[in-house]
Amino acid sequence: NAGVMQNPRHLVRRRGQEARLRCSPMKGHSHVYWYRQLPEEGLKFMVYLQKENIIDESGMPKERFSAEFPKEGPSILRIQQVVRGDSAAYFCASSPTGRNQPQHFGDGTRLSIL
Amino acid sequence: AQSVTQLGSHVSVSEGALVLLRCNYSSSVPPYLFWYVQYPNQGLQLLLKYTSAATLVKGINGFEAEFKKSETSFHLTKPSAHMSDAAEYFCAVSEGLTGGGNKLTFGTGTQLKVEL
Repeated sequence: NAGVMQNPRHLVRRRGQEARLRCSPMKGHSHVYWYRQLPEEGLKFMVYLQKENIIDESGMPKERFSAEFPKEGPSILRIQQVVRGDSAAYFCASSPTGRNQPQHFGDGTRLSIL
Repeated sequence: AQSVTQLGSHVSVSEGALVLLRCNYSSSVPPYLFWYVQYPNQGLQLLLKYTSAATLVKGINGFEAEFKKSETSFHLTKPSAHMSDAAEYFCAVSEGLTGGGNKLTFGTGTQLKVEL
């Protein structure tokens, strides 16, 4: 059973470009989460999605960031007009249905902004 | 709001020595607590979870954690450290969300170094 798959593992963008991060959850998992890890910090919750629905985006920056989980295909975290402060590791996690089920994490995408 | 505090951003032990990584939580409801380990350039791997069934929780790789409500603590221990335990460890508390999911709030992590 494949784990949570994220790609790319590393992404380099110049200021002002767009970054697209992809996440395929574990088979059978209907809940997808995105977290951001800034240097020397723990992971911070960004957004929680189910198929075709954003359930909770309370951790998302108000501008430039968006997320989706379409009916077909992976979940996408999109960052428009990237700035230096967006440099971080972005992790996707998935879990099965059920309260407080453990979340399973992908290996992350390391985003570097030049 | 729920929160987690990990005391000690860096812990160093000798191989074979006891490992103790501290975690204190703040929660207005009975908490669900987790310990994760992160190896360099990898994602987080679940070590163990507390879901109110038993206060002493055993996890993978010989780790265990004890939930102490009176102390609001969930410290992680391992009797004998191994070189392969060197990694960063995160404590997290879970908060239920609308839709049946849950949000993890993480501590800032403890980097464990194991020396010969």
